[in-house]
Amino acid sequence: DAKTTQPPSMDCAEGRAANLPCNHSTISGNEYVYWYRQIHSQGPQYIIHGLKNNETNEMASLIITEDRKSSTLILPHATLRDTAVYYCIVRLYSGNTPLVFGKGTRLSVIA
Amino acid sequence: GAVVSQHPSWVICKSGTSVKIECRSLDFQATTMFWYRQFPKQSLMLMATSNEGSKATYEQGVEKDKFLINHASLTLSTLTVTSAHPEDSSFYICSARRRDRLNTEAFFGQGTRLTVV
Repeated sequence: DAKTTQPPSMDCAEGRAANLPCNHSTISGNEYVYWYRQIHSQGPQYIIHGLKNNETNEMASLIITEDRKSSTLILPHATLRDTAVYYCIVRLYSGNTPLVFGKGTRLSVIA
Repeated sequence: GAVVSQHPSWVICKSGTSVKIECRSLDFQATTMFWYRQFPKQSLMLMATSNEGSKATYEQGVEKDKFLINHASLTLSTLTVTSAHPEDSSFYICSARRRDRLNTEAFFGQGTRLTVV
Protein backbone atom coordinates (compact mmCIF):
# COMPACT_ATOMS: atom_id res chain seq x y z
CA ASP A 1 0.00 0.00 0.00
CA ALA A 2 1.15 3.52 -0.73
CA LYS A 3 2.46 5.64 2.12
CA THR A 4 0.86 8.82 3.30
CA THR A 5 2.28 11.99 4.83
CA GLN A 6 0.32 14.12 7.27
CA PRO A 7 1.27 17.06 9.48
CA PRO A 8 1.78 15.87 13.05
CA SER A 9 -0.59 18.36 14.60
CA MET A 10 -3.09 21.12 13.85
CA ASP A 11 -5.27 23.49 15.82
CA CYS A 12 -8.72 24.67 14.86
CA ALA A 13 -11.10 27.10 16.50
CA GLU A 14 -14.43 25.70 17.55
CA GLY A 15 -17.11 26.33 14.93
CA ARG A 16 -14.62 26.85 12.14
CA ALA A 17 -13.83 24.42 9.36
CA ALA A 18 -10.95 22.04 9.98
CA ASN A 19 -8.98 21.20 6.86
CA LEU A 20 -6.66 18.23 7.27
CA PRO A 21 -4.23 17.59 4.42
CA CYS A 22 -2.74 14.30 3.33
CA ASN A 23 -0.07 13.60 0.76
CA HIS A 24 -0.14 10.26 -1.04
CA SER A 25 2.01 10.92 -4.08
CA THR A 26 2.70 7.23 -4.77
CA ILE A 27 -0.94 6.15 -4.79
CA SER A 28 -1.82 3.68 -7.53
CA GLY A 29 -4.89 3.67 -9.71
CA ASN A 30 -6.80 1.07 -7.73
CA GLU A 31 -6.10 2.42 -4.26
CA TYR A 32 -8.75 4.21 -2.26
CA VAL A 33 -8.14 6.99 0.25
CA TYR A 34 -9.64 6.28 3.68
CA TRP A 35 -9.90 8.57 6.69
CA TYR A 36 -10.31 7.39 10.24
CA ARG A 37 -10.03 9.17 13.54
CA GLN A 38 -9.17 8.00 17.02
CA ILE A 39 -10.42 9.79 20.06
CA HIS A 40 -8.30 9.22 23.12
CA SER A 41 -8.46 5.65 24.48
CA GLN A 42 -11.00 4.49 21.92
CA GLY A 43 -10.86 2.37 18.78
CA PRO A 44 -10.58 4.15 15.42
CA GLN A 45 -13.77 5.47 13.87
CA TYR A 46 -14.41 5.43 10.16
CA ILE A 47 -15.04 8.85 8.63
CA ILE A 48 -15.07 8.66 4.86
CA HIS A 49 -13.33 7.18 1.84
CA GLY A 50 -13.03 7.88 -1.87
CA LEU A 51 -11.30 6.94 -5.10
CA LYS A 52 -11.11 10.06 -7.26
CA ASN A 53 -14.32 11.99 -6.89
CA ASN A 54 -15.00 14.27 -3.99
CA GLU A 55 -17.15 12.68 -1.32
CA THR A 56 -19.40 14.04 1.40
CA ASN A 57 -21.28 12.42 4.23
CA GLU A 58 -22.79 13.53 7.51
CA MET A 59 -19.40 13.72 9.18
CA ALA A 60 -17.07 15.28 6.65
CA SER A 61 -16.09 16.03 3.08
CA LEU A 62 -13.18 14.51 1.22
CA ILE A 63 -11.51 16.49 -1.53
CA ILE A 64 -9.12 14.51 -3.75
CA THR A 65 -6.90 16.36 -6.21
CA GLU A 66 -7.24 15.53 -9.88
CA ASP A 67 -3.87 13.76 -9.96
CA ARG A 68 -4.89 11.90 -6.76
CA LYS A 69 -1.55 12.67 -5.13
CA SER A 70 -3.12 14.47 -2.21
CA SER A 71 -6.41 14.92 -0.44
CA THR A 72 -8.02 17.06 2.21
CA LEU A 73 -10.50 16.04 4.87
CA ILE A 74 -12.85 18.84 5.80
CA LEU A 75 -14.82 18.99 9.02
CA PRO A 76 -17.17 21.87 8.21
CA HIS A 77 -17.92 23.06 11.74
CA ALA A 78 -15.44 21.62 14.19
CA THR A 79 -16.55 21.00 17.77
CA LEU A 80 -14.56 20.13 20.86
CA ARG A 81 -15.61 16.50 20.38
CA ASP A 82 -13.72 16.43 17.09
CA THR A 83 -10.43 16.62 18.96
CA ALA A 84 -8.70 13.39 17.93
CA VAL A 85 -5.91 11.88 15.88
CA TYR A 86 -6.90 11.70 12.22
CA TYR A 87 -5.44 9.02 10.00
CA CYS A 88 -5.26 9.12 6.22
CA ILE A 89 -4.76 5.65 4.75
CA VAL A 90 -4.55 4.36 1.20
CA ARG A 91 -5.66 0.84 0.56
CA LEU A 92 -6.08 -1.44 -2.40
CA TYR A 93 -9.67 -1.65 -3.56
CA SER A 94 -9.75 -5.40 -3.89
CA GLY A 95 -9.13 -8.02 -1.27
CA ASN A 96 -9.53 -8.14 2.45
CA THR A 97 -6.28 -6.41 3.31
CA PRO A 98 -5.71 -4.69 6.66
CA LEU A 99 -5.50 -0.98 7.18
CA VAL A 100 -1.96 0.16 7.84
CA PHE A 101 -1.84 3.22 10.06
CA GLY A 102 0.73 6.00 9.86
CA LYS A 103 1.26 8.59 12.56
CA GLY A 104 -1.75 10.71 11.68
CA THR A 105 -2.55 14.31 12.54
CA ARG A 106 -3.48 15.29 16.05
CA LEU A 107 -6.28 17.85 15.70
CA SER A 108 -6.99 20.04 18.68
CA VAL A 109 -10.24 21.99 18.55
CA ILE A 110 -9.97 25.03 20.76
CA ALA A 111 -12.90 26.85 22.35
CA GLY B 1 -22.77 1.09 10.83
CA ALA B 2 -21.68 -2.37 11.85
CA VAL B 3 -20.63 -3.00 15.44
CA VAL B 4 -17.49 -4.70 16.69
CA SER B 5 -17.32 -5.35 20.42
CA GLN B 6 -14.28 -6.18 22.51
CA HIS B 7 -14.25 -7.68 25.95
CA PRO B 8 -12.95 -6.78 28.41
CA SER B 9 -12.45 -3.04 27.98
CA TRP B 10 -9.62 -3.12 30.46
CA VAL B 11 -7.80 -5.76 32.44
CA ILE B 12 -5.05 -5.84 35.03
CA CYS B 13 -3.14 -9.06 35.45
CA LYS B 14 -0.11 -10.34 37.26
CA SER B 15 3.12 -10.98 35.45
CA GLY B 16 3.30 -14.57 34.21
CA THR B 17 -0.43 -15.09 33.83
CA SER B 18 -2.42 -15.30 30.61
CA VAL B 19 -5.16 -12.97 29.44
CA LYS B 20 -7.82 -13.60 26.80
CA ILE B 21 -9.39 -10.77 24.82
CA GLU B 22 -12.54 -11.36 22.78
CA CYS B 23 -13.53 -9.58 19.60
CA ARG B 24 -17.07 -10.04 18.32
CA SER B 25 -18.83 -8.74 15.26
CA LEU B 26 -22.34 -8.18 16.60
CA ASP B 27 -24.43 -7.74 13.49
CA PHE B 28 -22.37 -9.11 10.64
CA GLN B 29 -20.13 -12.01 9.73
CA ALA B 30 -16.41 -11.58 9.28
CA THR B 31 -14.16 -14.26 7.82
CA THR B 32 -11.16 -12.12 8.70
CA MET B 33 -10.41 -10.01 11.72
CA PHE B 34 -7.32 -7.97 12.41
CA TRP B 35 -5.52 -7.40 15.70
CA TYR B 36 -3.57 -4.25 16.46
CA ARG B 37 -1.50 -3.04 19.38
CA GLN B 38 -0.98 0.56 20.36
CA PHE B 39 1.57 1.86 22.83
CA PRO B 40 1.18 5.31 24.43
CA LYS B 41 1.57 8.20 22.02
CA GLN B 42 2.14 5.84 19.11
CA SER B 43 0.06 4.73 16.17
CA LEU B 44 -1.70 1.39 15.76
CA MET B 45 0.60 -1.46 14.81
CA LEU B 46 -0.83 -4.48 13.02
CA MET B 47 -0.06 -7.66 14.93
CA ALA B 48 -1.87 -10.37 13.03
CA THR B 49 -4.63 -11.31 10.66
CA SER B 50 -7.13 -13.77 12.05
CA ASN B 51 -8.84 -16.08 9.57
CA GLU B 52 -11.93 -18.09 10.44
CA GLY B 53 -11.18 -21.78 10.51
CA SER B 54 -7.48 -21.46 9.80
CA LYS B 55 -4.24 -20.28 11.35
CA ALA B 56 -3.59 -16.64 11.92
CA THR B 57 -0.98 -14.74 9.96
CA TYR B 58 1.43 -12.81 12.16
CA GLU B 59 3.38 -9.70 11.28
CA GLN B 60 7.14 -9.76 11.46
CA GLY B 61 8.38 -9.49 15.00
CA VAL B 62 5.16 -10.69 16.64
CA GLU B 63 5.60 -13.96 18.52
CA LYS B 64 2.86 -16.38 17.53
CA ASP B 65 3.42 -18.54 20.61
CA LYS B 66 2.97 -15.57 22.89
CA PHE B 67 -0.04 -14.03 21.18
CA LEU B 68 -2.40 -16.90 20.48
CA ILE B 69 -5.22 -16.14 18.10
CA ASN B 70 -8.29 -18.29 17.65
CA HIS B 71 -11.02 -17.50 15.12
CA ALA B 72 -13.52 -20.26 15.73
CA SER B 73 -16.58 -18.67 14.19
CA LEU B 74 -17.58 -15.96 11.74
CA THR B 75 -18.35 -13.58 14.59
CA LEU B 76 -15.67 -14.26 17.18
CA SER B 77 -11.89 -13.99 17.32
CA THR B 78 -9.87 -14.22 20.51
CA LEU B 79 -6.38 -13.02 21.36
CA THR B 80 -4.64 -14.65 24.30
CA VAL B 81 -1.55 -13.02 25.70
CA THR B 82 0.34 -15.86 27.30
CA SER B 83 2.78 -15.45 30.18
CA ALA B 84 2.20 -11.73 30.16
CA HIS B 85 4.98 -9.36 31.21
CA PRO B 86 4.92 -5.64 31.95
CA GLU B 87 6.22 -4.86 28.45
CA ASP B 88 3.03 -6.43 27.05
CA SER B 89 1.01 -3.66 28.68
CA SER B 90 -0.67 -1.92 25.80
CA PHE B 91 -3.95 -1.03 24.11
CA TYR B 92 -5.16 -3.94 21.98
CA ILE B 93 -7.69 -3.26 19.22
CA CYS B 94 -9.44 -5.55 16.78
CA SER B 95 -11.16 -4.75 13.53
CA ALA B 96 -13.31 -6.55 11.00
CA ARG B 97 -14.83 -6.00 7.64
CA ARG B 98 -18.20 -7.37 6.55
CA ARG B 99 -17.82 -10.73 4.85
CA ASP B 100 -20.16 -9.66 2.09
CA ARG B 101 -18.53 -6.26 1.60
CA LEU B 102 -14.79 -6.72 1.63
CA ASN B 103 -14.17 -3.50 -0.20
CA THR B 104 -15.87 -1.26 2.31
CA GLU B 105 -14.71 0.32 5.51
CA ALA B 106 -13.36 -1.69 8.42
CA PHE B 107 -15.01 -1.44 11.82
CA PHE B 108 -13.05 -1.32 15.02
CA GLY B 109 -13.70 -2.48 18.53
CA GLN B 110 -13.42 -0.07 21.41
CA GLY B 111 -10.10 -1.53 22.45
CA THR B 112 -8.81 -3.40 25.49
CA ARG B 113 -6.30 -1.79 27.79
CA LEU B 114 -4.02 -4.42 29.28
CA THR B 115 -1.88 -3.60 32.29
CA VAL B 116 0.53 -6.23 33.51
CA VAL B 117 1.85 -5.69 37.04
